Amino acid sequence: AQKITQTQPGMFVQEKEAVTLDCTYDTSDPSYGLFWYKQPSSGEMIFLIYQGSYDQQNATEGRYSLNFQKARKSANLVISASQLGDSAMYFCAMREVAGSARQLTFGSGTQLTVLP
Amino acid sequence: GAGVSQSPSNKVTEKGKDVELRCDPISGHTALYWYRQSLGQGLEFLIYFQGNSAPDKSGLPSDRFSAERTGGSVSTLTIQRTQQEDSAVYLCASSPRHRSGETQYFGPGTRLLVL
Repeated sequence: AQKITQTQPGMFVQEKEAVTLDCTYDTSDPSYGLFWYKQPSSGEMIFLIYQGSYDQQNATEGRYSLNFQKARKSANLVISASQLGDSAMYFCAMREVAGSARQLTFGSGTQLTVLP
Repeated sequence: GAGVSQSPSNKVTEKGKDVELRCDPISGHTALYWYRQSLGQGLEFLIYFQGNSAPDKSGLPSDRFSAERTGGSVSTLTIQRTQQEDSAVYLCASSPRHRSGETQYFGPGTRLLVL
């Protein structure tokens, strides 16, 4: 079963507007972490934002915020005031604490294009 | 400070040859991970090292793949008798310790092409 689902293969947004990238996850572990990474065409994976399953507040980092809806198992990334440099592939990932797994499980990604 | 470094950045090899990929984690990071990213795909976990514990090899796709980590720092991923389907970007990441909140920081990757 897929643990991380990103249903938007591609998204377009006008420069300076906000955009939401969807992510849903599946886990029975009560303790887990959710991450978003950006991968520009250069290939580097850049960490953007983290949300812990017990965090009461939605995470924010500059223009990035995470809309965490635990009951719906969704962790959408919101980018405000989009810039041309935001054009990249965006990956949602999860790390479960229980059990032996320590690695990140990634979604298939969303390719974001910011239009001038 | 220095981030995760990987070498070589690109590698072209012939089918059947062995290759070695190197990863230098961030200093002080005890956890090290290898992932593989095939063209247009998400990342696939390969292997995980944490301190002196036995590595988690559950993601290695076949016994042609192996990895070691010497002195708790540098890691080498070895692919023996390479096949064309091994062509991918191999990414290494490190984190300070394995808790859910500890972010993994990635290197630039090694792009492997098997002809």
